[in-house]
Amino acid sequence: DQQVKQNSPSLSVQEGRISILNCDYTNSMFDYFLWYKKYPAEGPTFLISISSIKDKNEDGRFTVFLNKSAKHLSLHIVPSQPGDSAVYFCAASGKDFGNEKLTFGTGTRLTIIP
Amino acid sequence: SQTIHQWPATLVQPVGSPLSLECTVEGTSNPNLYWYRQAAGRGLQLLFYSVGIGQISSEVPQNLSASRPQDRQFILSSKKLLLSDSGFYLCAWSGTGGWEQYFGPGTRLTVT
Repeated sequence: DQQVKQNSPSLSVQEGRISILNCDYTNSMFDYFLWYKKYPAEGPTFLISISSIKDKNEDGRFTVFLNKSAKHLSLHIVPSQPGDSAVYFCAASGKDFGNEKLTFGTGTRLTIIP
Repeated sequence: SQTIHQWPATLVQPVGSPLSLECTVEGTSNPNLYWYRQAAGRGLQLLFYSVGIGQISSEVPQNLSASRPQDRQFILSSKKLLLSDSGFYLCAWSGTGGWEQYFGPGTRLTVT
């Protein structure tokens, strides 16, 4: 049972435009969400997170939006740069899951076209 | 600052051979430690996590085991590797009470 879903395995965006990566979850007990970026043959790096008490969190070019009623979150990258080409994972957790375990989606490969 | 190390970076092992992957964390005390596997074209699957020395929880029954002999050391082992054990293995740590996990560089394991 995939509790965190990233339905788009890949996305291509022109350099300078906005990249929007989407993530859906099914478990209403999740109350903390994170985005990670992963280059090939490297470990994922933490990008940005959001708590369920907020609907938006912004950090530089990265903004995460959370729609709790739809159980949906998105990551906006603007403007997109070539270095943003990577696989992006969303992850979710909550205080009821114990020991800060994260449930990851399957990832979306973002390609920025120069 | 905190640093996480994993070795080896790559490993090619025959079926039936043993495995030992090591992960160490520097710059923090009493971290939560995690082992993940990323199979080709798949997401991150949590294999084991540990909240303290000698405390290991297994998420997925399989051919692997984990141990935490020291506070900042986490080891992933197998007595006999299977072809299906091939993948990219990642170690991660988090602070107590923190949601963010920080990953090591990973080990690419190929079982032949």
